[in-house]
Amino acid sequence: QKEVEQNSGPLSVPEGAIASLNCTYSDRGSQSFFWYRQYSGKSPELIMSIYSNGDKEDGRFTAQLNKASQYVSLLIRDSQPSDSATYLCAVTNNAGNMLTFGGGTRLMVKP
Amino acid sequence: DAGVIQSPRHEVTEMGQEVTLRCKPISGHDYLFWYRQTMMRGLELLIYFNNNVPIDDSGMPEDRFSAKMPNASFSTLKIQPSEPRDSAVYFCASGWTGSYGYTFGSGTRLTVV
Repeated sequence: QKEVEQNSGPLSVPEGAIASLNCTYSDRGSQSFFWYRQYSGKSPELIMSIYSNGDKEDGRFTAQLNKASQYVSLLIRDSQPSDSATYLCAVTNNAGNMLTFGGGTRLMVKP
Repeated sequence: DAGVIQSPRHEVTEMGQEVTLRCKPISGHDYLFWYRQTMMRGLELLIYFNNNVPIDDSGMPEDRFSAKMPNASFSTLKIQPSEPRDSAVYFCASGWTGSYGYTFGSGTRLTVV
């Protein structure tokens, strides 16, 4: 079992809809959780971080964390074609210094 | 701030040749990571340093791979000898203790023919 699991997709949503991306992790000691966006041919770019249970909102993005279920999600409201990318979930170890990435979910937003 | 700088951007080499990838982290960052990305295996952590000291190299695939960080502003990842299965994009990332995530360089696309 991989340490960080994501559905590879592609997840296809129409423009203006809500995109929901999910991630599960295996290490209960994980401290910090991140979402990175990676456009084709580019490097990963940090878009959200979350450290405690609940929701964290930043513009059109909301990250959700449930440590009991070992589950992290990212909601993108009012999805735009420019949101089309691969979204990588990343989790730190219990020391908080080593990031492990999931395989990524490819999101396609259709006009 | 110029961000994390990697060189070269692209490298094409023949099997058996030595390849050296370079990384300059963001000034002030005390963590440096080397990742490899392929379609099949995604982003894999190869090795990371803290204050120039290698902390975990368990991700280095085999003895052909080595990494050094002689000072806080420079790191290298060397593959000797290179093999076609080493073809991938190699990313360097840096961060500081207590930071919220790490910053990635633009990557080096390595092709071994």
